[in-house]
Amino acid sequence: EVQLVESGGGLVQPGRSLKLSCAASGFTFSNYYMAWVRQAPTKGLEWVASITNSGGSTYYRDSVKGRFTISRDNAKSTLYLQMDSLRSEDTATYYCTRTLYFDYWGQGVMVTVSS
Amino acid sequence: DVVLTQTPVAQPVTLGDQASISCRSSQSLVHSNGNTYLEWYLQKPGQSPQLLIYKVSNRFSGVPDRFIGSGSGSDFTLKISRVEPEDLGVYYCFQATHDPYTFGAGTKLELK
Repeated sequence: EVQLVESGGGLVQPGRSLKLSCAASGFTFSNYYMAWVRQAPTKGLEWVASITNSGGSTYYRDSVKGRFTISRDNAKSTLYLQMDSLRSEDTATYYCTRTLYFDYWGQGVMVTVSS
Repeated sequence: DVVLTQTPVAQPVTLGDQASISCRSSQSLVHSNGNTYLEWYLQKPGQSPQLLIYKVSNRFSGVPDRFIGSGSGSDFTLKISRVEPEDLGVYYCFQATHDPYTFGAGTKLELK
């Protein structure tokens, strides 16, 4: 059974950093692209970043470029999102998803950016 | 960025009815490789989103055949025949043809 379990969320002050993790199981992690999608409270879905199966290429939405870094450790079957210089508008539930096509999703982890 | 416009914003239905959701793109979603990367997701209350349809009309594993995706170019539709209680929630279209990838704003399928 495919499972994606996010961790690392919480309350953080504006300008600070946070690192999210997503532990994958039930499939060969190194064969799949992965992505992060977020959802601000009461809002819709927003694609954040994607990474190829080898980790050799990464893609970001403009609003997080230069602040967020997506990475992966295929030996540990784990996806990461390093979030620096956080802003209030980054407040959201962050979902880890398997791609091509977001066919499996984690349960999500809440990130709140507030002073 | 590609803008996906979903209509209606809310769709009140009676169980057993058919429902239809439109998703119009600000530009063609045909990729240079010939594929059209238009997907549909359902987010049930309190749950993570789930994939229903990929590449316009392909049902994901386990998705009932009452979900039908259609369309081409920049105009797409999701039809749900015989709505059941487990179909209620917010439906999102999504495009992965153009960077950055974008979602529609969502359509809430709710009981009348």
